[in-house]
Amino acid sequence: SQKIEQNSEALNIQEGKTATLTCNYTNYSPAYLQWYRQDPGRGPVFLLLIRENEKEKRKERLKVTFDTTLKQSLFHITASQPADSATYLCALPMSNSGYALNFGKGTSLLVTP
Amino acid sequence: DTEVTQTPKHLVMGMTNKKSLKCEQHMGHRAMYWYKQKAKKPPELMFVYSYEKLSINESVPSRFSPECPNSSLLNLHLHALQPEDSALYLCASSQVHKDQPQHFGDGTRLSIL
Repeated sequence: SQKIEQNSEALNIQEGKTATLTCNYTNYSPAYLQWYRQDPGRGPVFLLLIRENEKEKRKERLKVTFDTTLKQSLFHITASQPADSATYLCALPMSNSGYALNFGKGTSLLVTP
Repeated sequence: DTEVTQTPKHLVMGMTNKKSLKCEQHMGHRAMYWYKQKAKKPPELMFVYSYEKLSINESVPSRFSPECPNSSLLNLHLHALQPEDSALYLCASSQVHKDQPQHFGDGTRLSIL
């Protein structure tokens, strides 16, 4: 069966450092991968999308890599700030739909001053 | 503020009640989704509507009945729910095309007594 795995434990880092979150998947051949941010009591917010033919994507302090051989995506936040504290979700397209998504369970990030 | 509006924000109902959750978007998106999210879990896809037609039903019990009256509105009718149905119900919308981001509302927090 298809599986999406994210660091199950919370990630605690100090302000100013780079946070790196991992998303591994099995039994997928995804055309793309998406990352979302979710704050408590709120809906997920789209951050970045990376396609299978792209190795890396950047947006301001965010960087995503996509290695289809390793079946892994890495999500980096540079110069992290306490406001970056949230849960980050990785999402892949469902096999029976090009646009419906399956979500990983997410990684909780806490950035301390 | 999100571009997808869900009402009500909170709902408490008994197991014999009938209620409806509502979702509205005006971004011209023709795909709309219902997700269920339990605490510390990822959103789980329930239904997908594409061009106002139900395209995916993820084996959801019949006590949940979706409806898409027009391209801007999505309803979820609830009847005879169980305590385990208590969760955050999220609505999302997107373009009907692969590799498009989904836009989420902030959800309805549902509690079943």
